[in-house]
Amino acid sequence: AQKVTQAQTEISVVEKEDVTLDCVYETRDTTYYLFWYKQPPSGELVFLIRRNSFDEQNEISGRYSWNFQKSTSSFNFTITASQVVDSAVYFCALSAPNTGNQFYFGTGTSLTVIP
Amino acid sequence: DAGVIQSPRHEVTEMGQEVTLRCKPISGHDYLFWYRQTMMRGLELLIYFNNNVPIDDSGMPEDRFSAKMPNASFSTLKIQPSEPRDSAVYFCASAWSGGGFYEQYFGPGTRLTVT
Repeated sequence: AQKVTQAQTEISVVEKEDVTLDCVYETRDTTYYLFWYKQPPSGELVFLIRRNSFDEQNEISGRYSWNFQKSTSSFNFTITASQVVDSAVYFCALSAPNTGNQFYFGTGTSLTVIP
Repeated sequence: DAGVIQSPRHEVTEMGQEVTLRCKPISGHDYLFWYRQTMMRGLELLIYFNNNVPIDDSGMPEDRFSAKMPNASFSTLKIQPSEPRDSAVYFCASAWSGGGFYEQYFGPGTRLTVT
């Protein structure tokens, strides 16, 4: 069975602080994909990044970075120098061909950046 | 390029009425997903289609819910009769399998309130 756990329900940081959002996944498949989505207060779900199980390279995109570690089944998301516009709910998700490529979402982490 | 389009954006209806939610996926995408989001249950996958064919409807809560995809550019989710517990935000998402990663792109959602 596929499972994604986001243990942090809510996080508050002061603007310009760095913050890491944790994501731990469970799967028995060797081929799978991991994703992060952002849901700002306006409500839409915005795709941020995908990673496949064969690529453990970390990725950096501006102030965003992602750390994928198969050894700990984690796919953590770091925002550097946080800004008020980063306030949102962030979802981690897992999919795998063996389960029809449907997404298994975590429960989300609500991030509030205080000015 | 236009993203996933959903209509209506907001729907308020009385218990017992029929509700129809509509979705137009991104052109060229071959997967379409319907989700429901509530505070209590988070994001739930209701049903998904591949090439207009329903693949898994195990998330549909009960027989009051039905979904169709008559062609590649249109899908509906119908609730008949509606109940207050159906109040939620309903998202449609589409994906393209050709890229191999299957990331999903979400519409803006329909906020349904059943009184």
